[in-house]
Amino acid sequence: NAGVTQTPKFQVLKTGQSMTLQCAQDMNHNSMYWYRQDPGMGLRLIYYSASEGTTDKGEVPNGYNVSRLNKREFSLRLESAAPSQTSVYFCASSVNPQGAGNTIYFGEGSWLTVV
Amino acid sequence: KQEVTQIPAALSVPEGENLVLNCSFTDSAIYNLQWFRQDPGKGLTSLLLIQSSQREQTSGRLNASLDKSSGRSTLYIAASQPGDSATYLCAVFLYTGGFKTIFGAGTRLFVKA
Repeated sequence: NAGVTQTPKFQVLKTGQSMTLQCAQDMNHNSMYWYRQDPGMGLRLIYYSASEGTTDKGEVPNGYNVSRLNKREFSLRLESAAPSQTSVYFCASSVNPQGAGNTIYFGEGSWLTVV
Repeated sequence: KQEVTQIPAALSVPEGENLVLNCSFTDSAIYNLQWFRQDPGKGLTSLLLIQSSQREQTSGRLNASLDKSSGRSTLYIAASQPGDSATYLCAVFLYTGGFKTIFGAGTRLFVKA
């Protein structure tokens, strides 16, 4: 029962470095999401992919890019990391886009620190 | 702008107590509302999903209610156990020119043995 798998679990970056967070789901879900979670601010949507081949900005997309590689995989890229991007990142998926009455399933999270 | 507020921010109760967690939202035009549990260092686990047309959902010792007109949802936990200790988050799902999910900041629950 893998569900949603994201890697890496932990990462420390220097300011200006780039990196990609990987996410894969094995539930044949159409929609995938990337969130960040910061203390006192709850979860905020960065980007989402309602279906394979489409991606859209969420609430806080600046500084990030995404790729929906195929139906299973949705990656998040930080091109030039900044300390403000220190956060916990969660990948999630659902059968259909949010608001369509589906449960959302989350990965275990990726802890990213930018120094 | 839709805002989701959870009160209290933290709660400590003795084992066996029944408790209610609150979630309020400012815009009643939601598609559905979902309650999640988050354990320290872990992702979110869905507990209950309430469609906008529903009034409540139940799963085991958990019961969630939804009152769209007043912008409120409650999560009732019966006979609390130490294993219920976690952070509970509610989230509302809406479409305003794009799909959006608005999460509350959560209520951190500690159940004392």
